[in-house]
Amino acid sequence: GQQLNQSPQSMFIQEGEDVSMNCTSSSIFNTWLWYKQDPGEGPVLLIALYKAGELTSNGRLTAQFGITRKDSFLNISASIPSDVGIYFCAGHTRETSGSRLTFGEGTQLTVNP
Amino acid sequence: GAVVSQHPSWVICKSGTSVKIECRSLDFQATTMFWYRQFPKQSLMLMATSNEGSKATYEQGVEKDKFLINHASLTLSTLTVTSAHPEDSSFYICSAPGDGTSGSREQYFGPGTRLTVT
Repeated sequence: GQQLNQSPQSMFIQEGEDVSMNCTSSSIFNTWLWYKQDPGEGPVLLIALYKAGELTSNGRLTAQFGITRKDSFLNISASIPSDVGIYFCAGHTRETSGSRLTFGEGTQLTVNP
Repeated sequence: GAVVSQHPSWVICKSGTSVKIECRSLDFQATTMFWYRQFPKQSLMLMATSNEGSKATYEQGVEKDKFLINHASLTLSTLTVTSAHPEDSSFYICSAPGDGTSGSREQYFGPGTRLTVT
């Protein structure tokens, strides 16, 4: 099946630093999504990317859909303590049976005040 | 974005009993919903796709007789874990496509249900 390789697995940074994480795949996706999950809660959609090469921002977050359609990155600028959580990338494919998401393994972000 | 709710948020049950988890789309109708399970420090694993008016589609390795899915209406899908065992203890999360149909590319997630089987 399809797999997404997400890196790094975890990051420990100081408040104010910038963060970058990425996902790569051997398969092509037609949409890339980035989610954040806080402990004990469901994932919350941060950014959705629909076109190869697309660069999209949401506040301090910026994400790009790789030109090959097999990768995506997420940058967080000037991190703050509430950025702590697990960040997941997800690739979307449309099959005859409907749509499905494939998730990366997640990046655990810790921000030290 | 679309709002999805789940009930209960957590449940503890005895081994051998059945537990029902509800997933509702609050401000939109969804002909398709998805059920995931997540173990500690792991990613989300798709269990099944719930389809209103037809049978659910289960992922390989997921027992359809153990995890019963009923898409009762355009705003409600239920997951029943039958004859629960301790290894079924997990975080169960549902999601719904942004426009409520299987063709939508974004999915919005519920807050999750923590199931503990003793």
